[in-house]
Amino acid sequence: NAGVTQTPKFRILKIGQSMTLQCTQDMNHNYMYWYRQDPGMGLKLIYYSVGAGITDKGEVPNGYNVSRSTTEDFPLRLELAAPSQTSVYFCASRTVTGYNGNQPQHFGDGTRLSIL
Amino acid sequence: QKEVEQNSGPLSVPEGAIASLNCTYSDRGSQSFFWYRQYSGKSPELIMSIYSNGDKEDGRFTAQLNKASQYVSLLIRDSQPSDSATYLCAVRKTGGYNKLIFGAGTRLAVHP
Repeated sequence: NAGVTQTPKFRILKIGQSMTLQCTQDMNHNYMYWYRQDPGMGLKLIYYSVGAGITDKGEVPNGYNVSRSTTEDFPLRLELAAPSQTSVYFCASRTVTGYNGNQPQHFGDGTRLSIL
Repeated sequence: QKEVEQNSGPLSVPEGAIASLNCTYSDRGSQSFFWYRQYSGKSPELIMSIYSNGDKEDGRFTAQLNKASQYVSLLIRDSQPSDSATYLCAVRKTGGYNKLIFGAGTRLAVHP
């Protein structure tokens, strides 16, 4: 019963490096989301996807890219890492059954990323 | 004005007391409201959801919603030290694909 799985759990990057944060869910959820959480702050939506092949920007998309080639996977790409991207990144997913707005999001354990 | 506002706390209550957490939101058309609990260094976990005006009870937790006043609250009865965490209020934004707007969270500390 894995749910939402994120890898890696921790990573340190140098400025200018690139990396991909992986997110996989095994619940056959159509909707998936990427958030970042800075210390003492709430979650900010980076990108979201309503199904394979469909993605859209959230509140803070600059510096990130996503793709959704399968229902299960929703990777987040950082192309040129900057210190401002130091944060904890959470992936979430939800089903679309029932009334669309009432289904909760299920979160992965997060990836703690430091850019030095 | 922030879309979802919470008092950052910390809210300190003695063990066994009622903890009251409040949240206000700006989008009058919002329909779905969620409370998540987040322990330090962990991911958010859903505690309660509420969609209609009034109270919704689940064990020691009660969510209260007042759409006219645009606030939602969470009451925790018989607070335990294990309830010490940050509580995030999330509001589903109208017109979006269930995009949630999160408040910054209220840190609750329950002391023995």
